[in-house]
Formats: sequence, structure tokens, C-alpha cells
Amino acid sequence: QKEVEQDPGPLSVPEGAIVSLNCTYSNSAFQYFMWYRQYSRKGPELLMYTYSSGNKEDGRFTAQVDKSSKYISLFIRDSQPSDSATYLCAPGDSNYQLIWGAGTKLIIKP
Amino acid sequence: IAGITQAPTSQILAAGRRMTLRCTQDMRHNAMYWYRQDLGLGLRLIHYSNTAGTTGKGEVPDGYSVSRANTDDFPLTLASAVPSQTSVYFCASSASPGANVLTFGAGSRLTVL
Repeated sequence: QKEVEQDPGPLSVPEGAIVSLNCTYSNSAFQYFMWYRQYSRKGPELLMYTYSSGNKEDGRFTAQVDKSSKYISLFIRDSQPSDSATYLCAPGDSNYQLIWGAGTKLIIKP
Repeated sequence: IAGITQAPTSQILAAGRRMTLRCTQDMRHNAMYWYRQDLGLGLRLIHYSNTAGTTGKGEVPDGYSVSRANTDDFPLTLASAVPSQTSVYFCASSASPGANVLTFGAGSRLTVL
């Protein structure tokens, strides 16, 4: 079993839809929960992150962590074609070691 | 524009050849990293450097070496390339060692035949 699991997709939704992207993890020591976005043929870029359980909102994006079920979610409201990318979750422990999911490819159809 | 420059962008290489992937950053970040990205797998850490003059092994270091002679440059060398090293390689940096906020380069796509 991988430490971090993500559905590879692709997930295809119409423009304006609410998107839910999810990760599960197995290591209860993870404390930081990062979301990176990667456009095709580009390097990943930090989207947002949370520390411990709870929600964090940044514009159209909301990150949610449920440590009891080891479940991480990223919600995108009013999705745009420019949101089409691969989304990587990367939880980290107290030593700041990041473990990367394989990513979910998201396609927003105009 | 501040960031990370990687070269080459793409390379096809015969097995057994030596190859160095170059990485330069202009953000004066202390820590630098090399990752490989393969389809269906998450980014895997090859080597890292917490500060100039020091390096460390990551999750998949075999067949690779690095050096950190100064703050800005962090080259990755494949001494004798093998087909299993076909991958996309990303260099990254962070302001401090172990930080979660990484800045990535655009990647070097390497094919070993």
C-alpha cells in the first residue's frame, strides 16, 4: 500500500462546476498537508497548505483535512478551464519530509 | 524572473553514457532537491542539499550523484545511464532545509535507450 493514494483520473467536469479532489494517507505522523498544481510540461507549484485538521480557504480553493480518517480534500468552486492541471497532494511530517501522491489529472471543459 | 533554471529541457541518451543535468537558482535559497517523476508514481526524492557544501541521499539515490559547490548550482550526474533512469527530473529549492514550500524548475525530460 502506498503511503499516499490519489485517483489518477482524468476527472472531467464542465466549467463552473464544483470540483472535489481527494487523497488518502496511511501515516498518522503527517502534520502538514500540501497541495501543488502542475500544468502540462511544467514543474509543480504550491497551491495551498494546511496544518493539522480543519479547513482553509483561499479564493475559489478550499483545503480540508480529516486526520481521524486520514483523508485530504481540495475543493474548487466555479471551476475554470485554466484550472485544468494535475493536482498533487503531499503530506509532511514534523521533520518536513514530504510524501507525494501521484496526482489527479483535472480537465475543465468550456 | 526569480526562479530555477534547468538544462537541458529534453535529452535522448544511449545507455552507458554519462549525463549531467544542470540546475541553477537565483533566489539564494539554502536548500535544493532533485526529484524524479514517473507515470503513476509520486515525486521521488533522489538527493538533497541543505546548504552549500553538504548533500544527502533521498529515497532513490542509486545511480545518481550530486554536488553543491555554491548556493546557486546543484547539478545531478548519471555516471552510466540505464533505461530505468528514463524519467522527468525536477530540481527544486526551499528557503530553509526541510521546508514544505518548494519552488520547482520546469523539468528535464530524459530518455535512456
